[in-house]
Amino acid sequence: QLQLQESGPGLVKPSETLSLTCTVSGGSISRSSYYWGWIRQPPGKGLEWIGSIYYSGTTYYNPSHKSRVTISVDTSKNQFSLKLSSVTAADTAVYYCARQGFSGSYFMAFDIWGQGTMVTVSS
Amino acid sequence: IVLTQSPDTLSLSPGERATLSCRASQTISSTYLAWYQQKPGQAPSLLIYGGSSRATGIPDRFSGSGSETDFTLTISRLEPEDFAVYYCQQYGSSLTFGGGTKVEIK
Repeated sequence: QLQLQESGPGLVKPSETLSLTCTVSGGSISRSSYYWGWIRQPPGKGLEWIGSIYYSGTTYYNPSHKSRVTISVDTSKNQFSLKLSSVTAADTAVYYCARQGFSGSYFMAFDIWGQGTMVTVSS
Repeated sequence: IVLTQSPDTLSLSPGERATLSCRASQTISSTYLAWYQQKPGQAPSLLIYGGSSRATGIPDRFSGSGSETDFTLTISRLEPEDFAVYYCQQYGSSLTFGGGTKVEIK
């Protein structure tokens, strides 16, 4: 059964770079039918998509964060990663990684999610 | 595309019918509309994709419908485990989530 697990520091200082990794187990990240995405949820608030990546390295980002976000993939480790630069307190959130279906011509929903990891931005 | 969900909170009793609304700021194909359920302390889980298709293992008391700018998630008879927050999501033009509707026990 496919599982996703987020990992990374739980505390990041303002102006620094938030770095998280999602490890995929129980299946290959290199399957052609899926993108792999990052979604976050500030405490007590709703969900916000950050961006997604294909195993080939093709990315697409939320325009609201595009200037600060880099998502990369390491197929040899079955992992993909998120870097968010110049963080502020507004970036404090639970960060989820998730699998997103891809038909070949259009994107689909997020069908498998990691449990999420809380990241706090504070000095 | 902005998704507006209503109401913010729905107070109902077990066994009652729940009707949740998701309104889009622009027309979207129902092909690109999904619904998720989130319970406290848990990740969201996919309920409905393609506007009306139930995800694997989702009971048939959950149904999705709608078109263009107005979409609905209906829970025909609320079970105790259905009290949660529900989000709609569109993935036809970039990707956005609605603000959520909390279904609470009356």
